[in-house]
Order: sequence, then C-alpha cells, then structure tokens
Amino acid sequence: GAVVSQHPSWVICKSGTSVKIECRSLDFQATTMFWYRQFPKQSLMLMATSNEGSKATYEQGVEKDKFLINHASLTLSTLTVTSAHPEDSSFYICSASGGLAVYEQYFGPGTRLTVT
Amino acid sequence: AQKITQTQPGMFVQEKEAVTLDCTYDTSDQSYGLFWYKQPSSGEMIFLIYQGSYDEQNATEGRYSLNFQKARKSANLVISASQLGDSAMYFCAMREPRRGYQKVTFGTGTKLQVIP
Repeated sequence: GAVVSQHPSWVICKSGTSVKIECRSLDFQATTMFWYRQFPKQSLMLMATSNEGSKATYEQGVEKDKFLINHASLTLSTLTVTSAHPEDSSFYICSASGGLAVYEQYFGPGTRLTVT
Repeated sequence: AQKITQTQPGMFVQEKEAVTLDCTYDTSDQSYGLFWYKQPSSGEMIFLIYQGSYDEQNATEGRYSLNFQKARKSANLVISASQLGDSAMYFCAMREPRRGYQKVTFGTGTKLQVIP
C-alpha cells in the first residue's frame, strides 16, 4: 500500500516556541492531506484539510493562526504549532489521499508532541 | 448529533472466533464513504476496509468484511477467525464531500481484545 511518513516521530519543546511537523507521501501524489489530533484514549479529531496549492480548510474551533498548515507540493504538507503551550501536547497524525484509490486515506505514523 | 457512533467501548473475542464491531452513521449526503481503521498500541492507523455509499455489495478484504445496511445507516465490521494480533482499537470513519474538500469524521472507537 501507499506509504506516508511523518517527521519527527516525537518532539519535546519549551512553552512559547514553535514546532514544525512534516508529512510526506512517499510513493504517490497526495492531492489532499488531513491533519488530526488525538488525545490519549480518545478518537481522532480532524483539525484541517489541505489541498495542494490552496489554503487549508480548518475545522470549527481550530485556531488557524496557531496551527499553520502548508501543502506546497503533492508530496509534502507541514503543520506548524506556533507559540506552543502545554495544552497543545498531543499526538498529531496526518493522512493523505489521491493515490491508487482516491477514496482511501493513508496515515502517517504520528508525531507525539510534548510541550514543557 | 454524533456523525459516527460506536456503541461498544470494549469487546472481547475468543481466538479463532468471529466478532462484529458496530458502527452507525448520520449524514444527509447521498455520496459518502465509510472506513474502518485499526490502531494498535503503537499508534499508527491501519486502513482495513472501505465502503462507498453507492456500492451495492458489501466490501470484503481478507478476514474483514463490512456489513453495510444503508437504510439503517449502519456499517458494521466483521472480523472472521480472530487472531491475537487483532487486539487493538478499531475506528469507524465517514468521509463526506464538502465544497473544495472532504470532511472526515471518526467514531470514538472500540477496543478489541482477543483472548487465547
């Protein structure tokens, strides 16, 4: 199946700093990428959807200025958590679609962010 | 109202037995897609099976089958011949078209434990 990578797999940062998470589709062109957030023992919450070359569509309640999403190419999307605070600590997962079957989503392995 | 409802927070099944994980959904769209994902303790999301709203036949993928009852708005996952490696969280998800993007909503998940 299609492969999606995320980098870094885990990151610890200090409160007030910014963190960038990369999501790459390795063997297909991802026309759409999704960013999710998952708290421990909870479901995935969709944060935003991004189509290559256009602005991301954010879900209600997600701060656009805090969670900056860029989908500059068909294989790369980035999520930047700006001015991170401890409450931003979470598991962030990206997924991509547009590969062999447009209805499928392929997930990255996730990034665990801890803000101290 | 919940878009995706998984009423079983946890399930046990004997190894080699079949198990059904329930999922009901709510949408007014005619075109939508339903997914099941497996999330082991490692955190990665593994795509299992997909059912399109216009697909007349139930989807099957190896030991996984999706019991799609459109009128009842249910999309239950059936795992046949359970294996110890099937122990994980299972999420039902729905993809709905929106202007310019696809909205994906996940259920709260069912934790499946396979007993030897």
